[in-house]
Amino acid sequence: DADVTQTPRNRITKTGKRIMLECSQTKGHDRMYWYRQDPGLGLRLIYYSFDVKDINKGEISDGYSVSRQAQAKFSLSLESAIPNQTALYFCATSDSGLAGDTQYFGPGTRLTVL
Amino acid sequence: GQSLEQPSEVTAVEGAIVQINCTYQTSGFYGLSWYQQHDGGAPTFLSYNALDGLEETGRFSSFLSRSDSYGYLLLQELQMKDSASYFCAGSTDKLIFGTGTRLQVFP
Repeated sequence: DADVTQTPRNRITKTGKRIMLECSQTKGHDRMYWYRQDPGLGLRLIYYSFDVKDINKGEISDGYSVSRQAQAKFSLSLESAIPNQTALYFCATSDSGLAGDTQYFGPGTRLTVL
Repeated sequence: GQSLEQPSEVTAVEGAIVQINCTYQTSGFYGLSWYQQHDGGAPTFLSYNALDGLEETGRFSSFLSRSDSYGYLLLQELQMKDSASYFCAGSTDKLIFGTGTRLQVFP
């Protein structure tokens, strides 16, 4: 079984709809992250959480919100989706502590906003 | 600000050696990581340089020079399966990813 799972894997929605992307991990890691990937722009950090009570904005948090429901679960919401939020979204986890900690990525969610 | 620049694309033939460069403009990076991503897949960790110098892991090596704000990933004995995108990432309390380099390996 995969250590980091994301649901749904693909989603097509319409402008203005509320969307939630979910991430679960069985690695027992404290740290969780949400990224979006666009062609030619690499991975950009949306939000990150170092433990259940800690939520931090990343590079591109506008238009997004997150919830850390438990150590194993970190969800990303788009309150009112817009077409330029069409992208590939990745959740990742890492163990707490040292710089250079390996990040483990989920399989991604491909979101299309029409 | 913090930014990491990479060439957008590199091509090479099987068996060859290729170097993917990463230059960065930032302060406070603890080190430089490299990730590989195949088309349709998730990024996976390759290597991390905490100190200046060369780190070798099998066919892959990674180099860091803090004074030059520069690093590279060296892939030797290229195989078709090495065709993928490669990202450098600066480490602070989180990762800042570079723009990515698409490597195409030809027979």
